[in-house]
Amino acid sequence: QQQVKQSPQSLIVQKGGISIINCAYENTAFDYFPWYQQFPGKGPALLIAIRPDVSEKKEGRFTISFNKSAKQFSLHIMDSQPGDSATYFCAASDTGNQFYFGTGTSLTVIP
Amino acid sequence: EPEVTQTPSHQVTQMGQEVILRCVPISNHLYFYWYRQILGQKVEFLVSFYNNEISEKSEIFDDQFSVERPDGSNFTLKIRSTKLEDSAMYFCASSLQLSYNEQFFGPGTRLTVL
Repeated sequence: QQQVKQSPQSLIVQKGGISIINCAYENTAFDYFPWYQQFPGKGPALLIAIRPDVSEKKEGRFTISFNKSAKQFSLHIMDSQPGDSATYFCAASDTGNQFYFGTGTSLTVIP
Repeated sequence: EPEVTQTPSHQVTQMGQEVILRCVPISNHLYFYWYRQILGQKVEFLVSFYNNEISEKSEIFDDQFSVERPDGSNFTLKIRSTKLEDSAMYFCASSLQLSYNEQFFGPGTRLTVL
C-alpha cells in the first residue's frame, strides 16, 4: 500500500521558472509533512516541513501548500535555479517516528 | 555543523554473508533510524531506536536484521545472511526529539550483494 503518492516523476524547468511537485496521502492520522532534497551520492536533507494546522508555509524560494480536505500538499520552488536540480521527496508521518516517503521527483533546471 | 556519518561508503558482499553497517549519529540526538533506498526507488523506513530498544519497525525489518548501539556513539545495522534483494543504499538518521522533529540523514552506505 502506497501511503504517499508523488508526481511528477521527473520535471524540467527553465531557470527562473516555478517548479511544482505534488503529493497526496490517504492516512488522515498523518500530522507532519516534510520535504527532503537529495543530491546524487548524498543523503536526503530536510528542505521545509509543515503541520496541518496551517495551509501554507514559506521559506525563501520554497513554499509548501497544504490542503487538508483534499489530503494533498505541494512544493513550489520559485525562481528555480540550476543549483536546485536534485531529487525531491515528500514524506508524511503520524508519530514523528516512521516517515513514509513518496517515490521522488527528479528536478532539472535548465540554465 | 554536526552531521551523521556512515561507514563504509560502499560494501560489497557475497550472498549469505553477514554485514554490519555503521553509523555515528549527531552526538546529542536521542532517536536513531535506518532507512533503505533501492536504486531509483523511494526511501523506505526500516527501524527506529530509542533508549536502547527498537521503538518501531517496518515489515522489511525481519529476523535477518538487527540494530545495536554498542557504545555511546555508534549505531549499527546488521544483516545476518544477505540476499540479492538487500542490495540498496542504507541511510542512517538521527533526531533530537520524536515528534515533528527533523531527521538528519547520513550520506549512506551502498550495499551490493553478489
